[in-house]
Amino acid sequence: GQNIDQPTEMTATEGAIVQINCTYQTSGFNGLFWYQQHAGEAPTFLSYNVLDGLEEKGRFSSFLSRSKGYSYLLLKELQMKDSASYLCAPTNDYKLSFGAGTTVTVRA
Amino acid sequence: DAGITQSPRHKVTETGTPVTLRCHQTENHRYMYWYRQDPGHGLRLIHYSYGVKDTDKGEVSDGYSVSRSKTEDFLLTLESATSSQTSVYFCAIRGREGVGLADNEQFFGPGTRLTVL
Repeated sequence: GQNIDQPTEMTATEGAIVQINCTYQTSGFNGLFWYQQHAGEAPTFLSYNVLDGLEEKGRFSSFLSRSKGYSYLLLKELQMKDSASYLCAPTNDYKLSFGAGTTVTVRA
Repeated sequence: DAGITQSPRHKVTETGTPVTLRCHQTENHRYMYWYRQDPGHGLRLIHYSYGVKDTDKGEVSDGYSVSRSKTEDFLLTLESATSSQTSVYFCAIRGREGVGLADNEQFFGPGTRLTVL
């Protein structure tokens, strides 16, 4: 079975940093995706980690520890447009399993 | 995005009626997926397809059937809709040509909001 845990909600101030943690237990693992989903829209790709370590892409970074079943998404220099849900999704090749998502609210 | 479309985008129907949702892709991808998304549950896989006439069940397949008679179309059918099937349905394809994406990445359609009264 699949067990994916991430916090339900987080609030932060514009310009700040927020870290969204995700722990997972899945049958089979190839890598882990993070998706962003604005209200009423489809999820869109943010990052993909296959190997342990940190992947940086602009204001967003994602970290993976395969041995610990742990990942985090780091959002820096928060902007109002970053208010959205962030979905953690481990993959076993052709199937993704999604966490319930973390709703991030950015306040001025 | 023109690569993947869903129809209808919104539908209201009554309990007990059959409903078919369509997912159409223009980029010849082998894998296609149907998910439902409900508050507190995230995205849950209903069915997926790995080729024409090749489909398999996901974690919440009861009450749903699918068909894929050609590469570009993946249909999701609710044989007899129930109120518990009120949800937002997303179709996805695996990978996307020419954008340098991860091999396993899934790209989502715009979604269909279905209400069963």
